[in-house]
Amino acid sequence: GAVVSQHPSWVICKSGTSVKIECRSLDFQATTMFWYRQFPKQSLMLMATSNEGSKATYEQGVEKDKFLINHASLTLSTLTVTSAHPEDSSFYICSAPGAGNTIYFGEGSWLTVV
Amino acid sequence: ILNVEQSPQSLHVQEGDSTNFTCSFPSSNFYALHWYRWETAKSPEALFVMTLNGDEKKKGRISATLNTKEGYSYLYIKGSQPEDSATYLCASRAGTASKLTFGTGTRLQVTL
Repeated sequence: GAVVSQHPSWVICKSGTSVKIECRSLDFQATTMFWYRQFPKQSLMLMATSNEGSKATYEQGVEKDKFLINHASLTLSTLTVTSAHPEDSSFYICSAPGAGNTIYFGEGSWLTVV
Repeated sequence: ILNVEQSPQSLHVQEGDSTNFTCSFPSSNFYALHWYRWETAKSPEALFVMTLNGDEKKKGRISATLNTKEGYSYLYIKGSQPEDSATYLCASRAGTASKLTFGTGTRLQVTL
């Protein structure tokens, strides 16, 4: 079946550096992908909608200059956390709509900024 | 209801017990309700997508119902097994966009 793969699963970076997370649809094309973030004991919250070949759409309160999204192909979207700070430490997960109404998720990425 | 709410937050049952969880969601502009099963370090696994009021879906020992008028869905697990231990997420979709609004999940632990 359809699979979404996310990499890396875990990343630790120094404060002030940038880190990139990749989200790939493995056996289907995704013109749209979604990036979510989850803080402890909270629900998954949508950050932005990644659109192939055009600019991402960000949810209210999400800084577009800090969370750069690129969707250069029909199977790959990337999220770059720029100038990361400890408060950006969180769980990030992507999703992509498949056939019918099914929406598939990646495995998620744990980011720790030290 | 403005947000998606799930209850209980966690549940501990013994093998063989049947159990159910509740998901409440905004009924206005409703499009679809999704249930996922999420094990640690894995992708959330899609269980059901329901769109019509009165929908009932079943997958093995797991089933779900949907009431869009009052904005709730139930997930049932019959004869729980240890492998059912996971967090069960529900998420609603408003309109036709594919973005989901999630509840905080129900964490189920099934012991022998």
